[in-house]
Amino acid sequence: GEDVEQSLFLSVREGDSSVINCTYTDSSSTYLYWYKQEPGAGLQLLTYIFSNMDMKQDQRLTVLLNKKDKHLSLRIADTQTGDSAIYFCAESSPRRAGSYQLTFGKGTKLSVIP
Amino acid sequence: DSGVTQTPKHLITATGQRVTLRCSPRSGDLSVYWYQQSLDQGLQFLIQYYNGEERAKGNILERFSAQQFPDLHSELNLSSLELGDSALYFCASSSGQGDGQPQHFGDGTRLSIL
Repeated sequence: GEDVEQSLFLSVREGDSSVINCTYTDSSSTYLYWYKQEPGAGLQLLTYIFSNMDMKQDQRLTVLLNKKDKHLSLRIADTQTGDSAIYFCAESSPRRAGSYQLTFGKGTKLSVIP
Repeated sequence: DSGVTQTPKHLITATGQRVTLRCSPRSGDLSVYWYQQSLDQGLQFLIQYYNGEERAKGNILERFSAQQFPDLHSELNLSSLELGDSALYFCASSSGQGDGQPQHFGDGTRLSIL
């Protein structure tokens, strides 16, 4: 079945760049997403990329997609303590007509050291 | 604020009981998705409704059911509750049923079974 893998933990110093990696198995994935979850909160959509794109940049966030290797990464420039959270990678593909439910990774907990 | 409203925020109940979780999607969104987040299973898709009709089912137990009403709000009914049903239940909405329409999540309902 479909699978999304992420490393569980990442620790960086404030001001450095963070890179969170994700791999997925479904070759029919059409869109890939990054969500952020802060403690006690819901999932906040950060950004997403269509599978025929290689890169997308949005302010401090850069998403890179290697479709051949089914590898997705999220780079956060100038990481701040407020970026400490769990980051989820998710993919969608047409399971059946009109249905694009998300398959999530387990999440990467980013800890930012002041 | 994602615009998706879930109530209640917390529910504490006992085994064997039945509860109803409620979700109001973002204004104009026709699709509603339900997800369960637990420590061991991570985020799992349960069910999707589009404009009042069931569109897809995921890992949803037979004890669980959902519906979407004419005003587009949705309810998830959980019955014969077991300890293992303790989890965070998220609702998400998107504008349509097409791909590339990001899902926006509510803050979730935390269900605790005693």
